[in-house]
Amino acid sequence: GESVGLHLPTLSVQEGDNSIINCAYSNSASDYFIWYKQESGKGPQFIIDIRSNMDKRQGQRVTVLLNKTVKHLSLQIAATQPGDSAVYFCADNFNKFYFGSGTKLNVKP
Amino acid sequence: GAVVSQHPSWVICKSGTSVKIECRSLDFQATTMFWYRQFPKQSLMLMATSNEGSKATYEQGVEKDKFLINHASLTLSTLTVTSAHPEDSSFYICSARGDGNQPQHFGDGTRLSIL
Repeated sequence: GESVGLHLPTLSVQEGDNSIINCAYSNSASDYFIWYKQESGKGPQFIIDIRSNMDKRQGQRVTVLLNKTVKHLSLQIAATQPGDSAVYFCADNFNKFYFGSGTKLNVKP
Repeated sequence: GAVVSQHPSWVICKSGTSVKIECRSLDFQATTMFWYRQFPKQSLMLMATSNEGSKATYEQGVEKDKFLINHASLTLSTLTVTSAHPEDSSFYICSARGDGNQPQHFGDGTRLSIL
């Protein structure tokens, strides 16, 4: 999606629960998607990516799901830990990389 | 692998000063580098895209004479904020990407404060 400088929505989860963070993109020509994690005062860190010929990809404790029909992307984090607290952004590659507005994940101990 | 180093991490200077920020890809060749600006509690906003050896492409509303970008080699891009004023205070982040459909790798950002 295209960043428009929106203020960040927040997701609060209990430690040990699973987290699901959602993202919508607008351009059906996008064929490559990435999730990033940004901790306070740092640059975004690559988590996982997925290409449009897939609808699911798994990493360590993370899964990305892609629904091209509704142009929706989600990031699932299993057994959420305090260290997962951060802002999560999705990005797509259509023409240029634009970032979604992001979601702040708060993990409660 | 895929480490991007950004320097300085923090700079405070007087109004009217020009400030240069460096972005280096340490272990890969960055065909394309991106410069972003981020305000507190907001997403990254793309300022410009630069390809090695060519002029940067600026996003709408970004003054190219204010934010000078140079991408002279496959491992280095610089952003110079010219005659900086307090409203230029922000968190500036660079990223770099190799050839093809690859993820961007980000530096740790530069916090710029103009007094």
